[in-house]
Amino acid sequence: GQNIDQPTEMTATEGAIVQINCTYQTSGFNGLFWYQQHAGEAPTFLSYNVLDGLEEKGRFSSFLSRSKGYSYLLLKELQMKDSASYLCAVRDRYGGATNKLIFGTGTLLAVQP
Amino acid sequence: GAGVSQSPRYKVTKRGQDVALRCDPISGHVSLYWYRQALGQGPEFLTYFNYEAQQDKSGLPNDRFSAERPEGSISTLTIQRTEQRDSAMYRCASSLNAGEQYFGPGTRLTVT
Repeated sequence: GQNIDQPTEMTATEGAIVQINCTYQTSGFNGLFWYQQHAGEAPTFLSYNVLDGLEEKGRFSSFLSRSKGYSYLLLKELQMKDSASYLCAVRDRYGGATNKLIFGTGTLLAVQP
Repeated sequence: GAGVSQSPRYKVTKRGQDVALRCDPISGHVSLYWYRQALGQGPEFLTYFNYEAQQDKSGLPNDRFSAERPEGSISTLTIQRTEQRDSAMYRCASSLNAGEQYFGPGTRLTVT
């Protein structure tokens, strides 16, 4: 079966650091993506991990452990504009095609002053 | 450059009518995807194309849903005999190859 779990909501303070966790159990795995989605807008790509370890990209970092089926997104120096839903997605396999994304329900992050 | 565009942005239709939703991907993007997103949920995969070939349609809910991409660029998602449960945001995405997917603004479908 396909299962991706992430917390429904989180709250953090402006300037702080927040970690959003994602665990997955999927029939196939070919990479894990994080997307940001502001209310009423389209999801936008943040990061991609296919190998174990940490990928850093400015204020955002993402970590992957394939053996544990676990990833996290780390947001540093939080700003009010970071208030959004953060979606974890696993790229599955389907026969020889590998581009299908399976999304979690998203974590709604509220950044408070 | 221009991103993924979708039309119409909003569609209200009566139950039983057919609707066609259009997606214009980023120029040069090989792969095109259709997702459906309910409020407060992540996008749910429907189908995807490489060029004009439909590689995976395992997410289409039933045979009322179909999609095509005849020339490997613009795609149409068609829902026949719409039902109220089809009401949702329908999103299209495209990617250059197997990389990150870029999402369009979506079509909000309401079936009355």
